Amino acid sequence: NAGVTQTPKFRILKIGQSMTLQCAQDMNHNYMYWYRQDPGMGLKLIYYSVGAGITDKGEVPNGYNVSRSTTEDFPLRLELAAPSQTSVYFCASSLSGRGYEQYFGPGTRLTVT
Amino acid sequence: DAKTTQPNSMESNEEEPVHLPCNHSTISGTDYIHWYRQLPSQGPEYVIHGLTSNVNNRMASLAIAEDRKSSTLILHRATLRDAAVYYCILRDGGGGNKLTFGTGTQLKVEL
Repeated sequence: NAGVTQTPKFRILKIGQSMTLQCAQDMNHNYMYWYRQDPGMGLKLIYYSVGAGITDKGEVPNGYNVSRSTTEDFPLRLELAAPSQTSVYFCASSLSGRGYEQYFGPGTRLTVT
Repeated sequence: DAKTTQPNSMESNEEEPVHLPCNHSTISGTDYIHWYRQLPSQGPEYVIHGLTSNVNNRMASLAIAEDRKSSTLILHRATLRDAAVYYCILRDGGGGNKLTFGTGTQLKVEL
């Protein structure tokens, strides 16, 4: 199993540009998550999904959109990028909600200038 | 969300045990105690979790106080590869499996 994969690893965006961060998992996990991590801080939940077609907001959803059309993929869309979105983005998945560990991807480092 | 309090940093020597403390005085009866760690430039990695009883796995042990207001992650023999940020997280047992990360404890391991 490849586990949780994320692309790209690095990206530089100009203010106002848009992009999609890709996340895929091959473990047949129902739950998937997007977090962001600012320097020296813990992770903050942006959006999560409990299954294909179902998504919900986390702690910091503003400026982002998600979709979940398949069990495997959970892309994160940034519209009108702003410097405040400069961060490292982590995707994660888990088998279900109750008591199961989350598996994290390697992250995408995004800089908005 | 119930909050946790951890020291900002701790140091250990290689091959020695490490006890990482976590206070969670407002824990509710359905909150699980989870520990994750994050190695430099990597995503977080699950370490261990428990509800009321002490737990052991291949990576570590989790000791939970009887009143559940504190817990301790125990690494039995620290190695250089254990140098990471360790997060103590309370997860609501009601579903959703959402994790709320604090700033964690930076563990430094020296030869």
